Amino acid sequence: DIQMTQSPSSLSASVGDRVTITCRASQSITRYLNWYQQKPGKAPKLLIYGASTLQSGVPSRFSGSGSGTDFTLTISSLQPEDFATYYCQETYSSSLFGGGTKVEIK
Amino acid sequence: EVQLVESGGGLVQPGGSLRLSCAASGFTFNNYDMNWVRQAPGKGLEWLSYISSGGSIVYYADSVKGRFTISRDNAKNSLYLQMNTLRAEDTAVYYCARHFKFGSGSYSPYCFDYWGQGTLITVSS
Repeated sequence: DIQMTQSPSSLSASVGDRVTITCRASQSITRYLNWYQQKPGKAPKLLIYGASTLQSGVPSRFSGSGSGTDFTLTISSLQPEDFATYYCQETYSSSLFGGGTKVEIK
Repeated sequence: EVQLVESGGGLVQPGGSLRLSCAASGFTFNNYDMNWVRQAPGKGLEWLSYISSGGSIVYYADSVKGRFTISRDNAKNSLYLQMNTLRAEDTAVYYCARHFKFGSGSYSPYCFDYWGQGTLITVSS
């Protein structure tokens, strides 16, 4: 079975910082990788699909890259509304989610 | 506007049963596959089950296989999750999510593009 490992599990950052979150698959998943944002008490929201395609309406400060086993989600300039938990999801073999990365205010 | 609204959550005793519903609107429901995803308190997301647009193909996570049954009624624009033999570890918020396919080829990659607000299931005596 494929395992998905996100790192870090949490991070503290300031408004305006560049933030990078990593998701690593235990085997190649080509580009079948999606990213979601979840705020407390809310449903997850799709940010990026197919490793790098920005979902409609998502700000361009979010970007995704990677293929094979290593993927990154980058927020180019962190905004107050970006403090949330981020999840990756592989769709190569099932719909497994990573453990999440909580982005907190420094 | 796409809307997914779950209902049917609540408190249930271990070993009990519950049926969740997800009412869909704002899109042609019978054109889309659907999923159920859950989130235990303070934990991450766990995919549970998938159903094809016509209802003929279903998949389950190992954690719920044999206990949960996914179904849909396209005439009512509704998705369901019948949950039996519930355990304390099934306590979670349950979400329905629309399955969006992109790309082409024999295997179409996908994502979950719309989610409901979730309904809480608490399994406790």
